[in-house]
Amino acid sequence: SDELTQPPSVSVSPGQTATITCSGEAFRKQSASWYQQRPGQAPLLLIYKDNERPSGIPERFSGSTSGTTVTLTISGVQAEDEADYYCQSADSYGTWSMQFGGGTTLTVL
Amino acid sequence: QLVESGGGVVQPGTSLRISCTASGFSFKSYGMHWVRQAPGKGLQWVALISVDGTNKYFGDSVKGRFTISRDNSKNTLYLEMTRLRVDDTAVYYCARGYGYAVDAWGQGALVTVSS
Repeated sequence: SDELTQPPSVSVSPGQTATITCSGEAFRKQSASWYQQRPGQAPLLLIYKDNERPSGIPERFSGSTSGTTVTLTISGVQAEDEADYYCQSADSYGTWSMQFGGGTTLTVL
Repeated sequence: QLVESGGGVVQPGTSLRISCTASGFSFKSYGMHWVRQAPGKGLQWVALISVDGTNKYFGDSVKGRFTISRDNSKNTLYLEMTRLRVDDTAVYYCARGYGYAVDAWGQGALVTVSS
């Protein structure tokens, strides 16, 4: 299967560190991207190529990878970080087809 | 900037074409995607077209029913949807390709398939 699996929800207090995982066989061969989607808005690219940040994305957002699991880490969580987060990869076969994880809702307590 | 248009309410089995007009960047230099999101659900990749339109890729759920095209002279991306089903109801986003990611998104066009 080429599915990407994320936890449905993660909760964290302001100022703490949030970690969101995403698992899938695709990550043995393909890199990960991460997107943030606030309610009523379009998604925003946070991380690409496992750990690269586009310009304008704060340094407190970081990505890492280990085997078939990739992780988005948000340090010093702020109230504005409350949103849905999606991982994404190309498929395991190296085609240009894309797949997304099911999404994780981050709640800031 | 990416601006989608053409969404609306259609009946099952019918067709609809939605468009995405790009500005502020060299449209002809980027692969372009369509990604959809059903109400209250996650993101689902729909299709990708290469810079010159010669290569096209589709998700399994739309293969054979949807077609992606582009007109680089008009900076416009299209998604032609045929044999629409109730489960095609979603917000359809156009998005700019950036390697294996997408780095810019439109605000989306709502397509509702209902009898």
